[in-house]
Amino acid sequence: GAVVSQHPSRVICKSGTSVKIECRSLDFQATTMFWYRQFPKQSLMLMATSNEGSKATYEQGVEKDKFLINHASLTLSTLTVTSAHPEDSSFYICSAREKHSTDTQYFGPGTRLTVL
Amino acid sequence: DAKTTQPPSMDCAEGRAANLPCNHSTISGNEYVYWYRQIHSQGPQYIIHGLKNNETNEMASLIITEDRKSSTLILPHATLRDTAVYYCIGIYNTDKLIFGTGTRLQVFP
Repeated sequence: GAVVSQHPSRVICKSGTSVKIECRSLDFQATTMFWYRQFPKQSLMLMATSNEGSKATYEQGVEKDKFLINHASLTLSTLTVTSAHPEDSSFYICSAREKHSTDTQYFGPGTRLTVL
Repeated sequence: DAKTTQPPSMDCAEGRAANLPCNHSTISGNEYVYWYRQIHSQGPQYIIHGLKNNETNEMASLIITEDRKSSTLILPHATLRDTAVYYCIGIYNTDKLIFGTGTRLQVFP
């Protein structure tokens, strides 16, 4: 089946620093990748949609200058949390939709971000 | 995207079939019904999806009513590892997934 990886699996950083999270589709090409955030005991919230080679589309209320998304290739998207604050601590999850596929999204294992 | 309604929680004995219902009365003709599950502290896992016909794969079966207003996900022989939150989502085939609150399935010994 389609496999999506994320790196790192967990990260702890100081307030004010930036953190980059990578999302890779390992055995397929993904024209579209999605980034979600999940707070404890809540459901996943879509943050943005990124298409390879173009700018990401952000959901309402998500600051594009704070959450920088780059989708430079068909197998890699990155999310950079800039000037992180404790309220950015969350579980960040990416998903990827296979090229030539009209539907199924496959999810990465998630990245646990803790900002001190 | 179609609004879906699921019971907040369900229990199931290990080895028995787990039947998880989903109501999607506003689903349109071209919207698929997708099921994902999320085990604690992991990313969601794709289970199955369908449009009109019933579907079966190695993980589960999906039964969609003829009027497409509801569906049931069936795990034929639940194990403790099936304990998770199960999400039913109605979506056009190129759209983004919007997660609701899902059903928390607890499988007990």
